[in-house]
Amino acid sequence: DAKTTQPPSMDCAEGRAANLPCNHSTISGNEYVYWYRQIHSQGPQYIIHGLKNNETNEMASLIITEDRKSSTLILPHATLRDTAVYYCIVRDPHGSSNTGKLIFGQGTTLQVKP
Amino acid sequence: NAGVTQTPKFQVLKTGQSMTLQCAQDMNHEYMSWYRQDPGMGLRLIHYSVGAGITDQGEVPNGYNVSRSTTEDFPLRLLSAAPSQTSVYFCASSPPPLAGAKETQYFGPGTRLLVL
Repeated sequence: DAKTTQPPSMDCAEGRAANLPCNHSTISGNEYVYWYRQIHSQGPQYIIHGLKNNETNEMASLIITEDRKSSTLILPHATLRDTAVYYCIVRDPHGSSNTGKLIFGQGTTLQVKP
Repeated sequence: NAGVTQTPKFQVLKTGQSMTLQCAQDMNHEYMSWYRQDPGMGLRLIHYSVGAGITDQGEVPNGYNVSRSTTEDFPLRLLSAAPSQTSVYFCASSPPPLAGAKETQYFGPGTRLLVL
């Protein structure tokens, strides 16, 4: 699975958009970009994933660059409850080594401030 | 659905003691995994299973055993606890990545283990 690079921490004002970047320059053609978050002391929670096209769901939007070497998770109107560690994970869910496992990095700690 | 459940929520062990962390899911997921999370760190994979009777090692398997006799249950056993195993343990399950499936992992609430 490709390695990802995320900033260790970010701040965002409540009500504003939170834009969390992720670099994955060694991503291969079959690998998807997944985002999970972990609110303090809880189990990680799936947010969104994508392959090439931008994706949007009820929680967030995912913007993937054309060369797929980086992506941005967007929380359009951040609330205090969005304060969490956000993990960007790149993997091929259909690959021969796929076993439903995730390889977590350090993630980005997002602090939403009033 | 209860989702992924883990017991106990918190446990204190003495060095050398053994115990089993329980994990169960009621979503009929084939894939299940165990992770540990040390303070200030990301999750690391211990063991995983792609179905009943099939298990394999992850990144940090030493000191832990697993078995998968049913689809629902995936217990994690510590044979001889050590202080280095003090951590928070998360169990997860997911369906196999069928075409078009969302392939989301569902995590349990965690078990906090302290080894003295």
